[in-house]
Amino acid sequence: GEDVEQSLFLSVREGDSSVINCTYTDSSSTYLYWYKQEPGAGLQLLTYIFSNMDMKQDQRLTVLLNKKDKHLSLRIADTQTGDSAIYFCAGARSNDYKLSFGAGTTVTVRA
Amino acid sequence: NAGVTQTPKFQVLKTGQSMTLQCAQDMNHEYMSWYRQDPGMGLRLIHYSVGAGITDQGEVPNGYNVSRSTTEDFPLRLLSAAPSQTSVYFCASCSSADRAYQPQHFGDGTRLSIL
Repeated sequence: GEDVEQSLFLSVREGDSSVINCTYTDSSSTYLYWYKQEPGAGLQLLTYIFSNMDMKQDQRLTVLLNKKDKHLSLRIADTQTGDSAIYFCAGARSNDYKLSFGAGTTVTVRA
Repeated sequence: NAGVTQTPKFQVLKTGQSMTLQCAQDMNHEYMSWYRQDPGMGLRLIHYSVGAGITDQGEVPNGYNVSRSTTEDFPLRLLSAAPSQTSVYFCASCSSADRAYQPQHFGDGTRLSIL
């Protein structure tokens, strides 16, 4: 397993960009994921990135990976009220299905 | 297509009681797992299974048992509930067919309180 760390809270104004940061310790992590959890619900996979990639863009979402610093970030463009949720980053090794999760970042979108 | 179904959604137990949290998936996924979610700690792996008849321990297995008699079902048993097991429990599954992309599908969770 590995340690995955995230800041716990982020407040952002509607229409601005949100940036959620994550650091991980295991350089063997091959797959890195971002999950979204809305109140009372399970986890929804938002996007993922492989360790051989530096960036991945998917509509309003941009994932950046800095392997040297073991730093992962998720940028949400034009943040909406529906983006208010807890966001988890998670990592897994290529030979292992087990996910190691960060504590989650609670994103609050204010009008 | 139901995905991953967990029952019950809510449960209150007394210390020392036993119960089984149910998890079923209809996607023919080989890999299934149980996590618990506690405030400020993210999700921690309790037990997992890579196929019918095969189970293994995760990060926090103590006080929990699992079995995997079929591909579809992966129940989690609390043998003697303790207040420290108050948590939200999530079941997840994924296919082992495509190792390049391993999205895990999560159920909606079971909220368990131990008094």
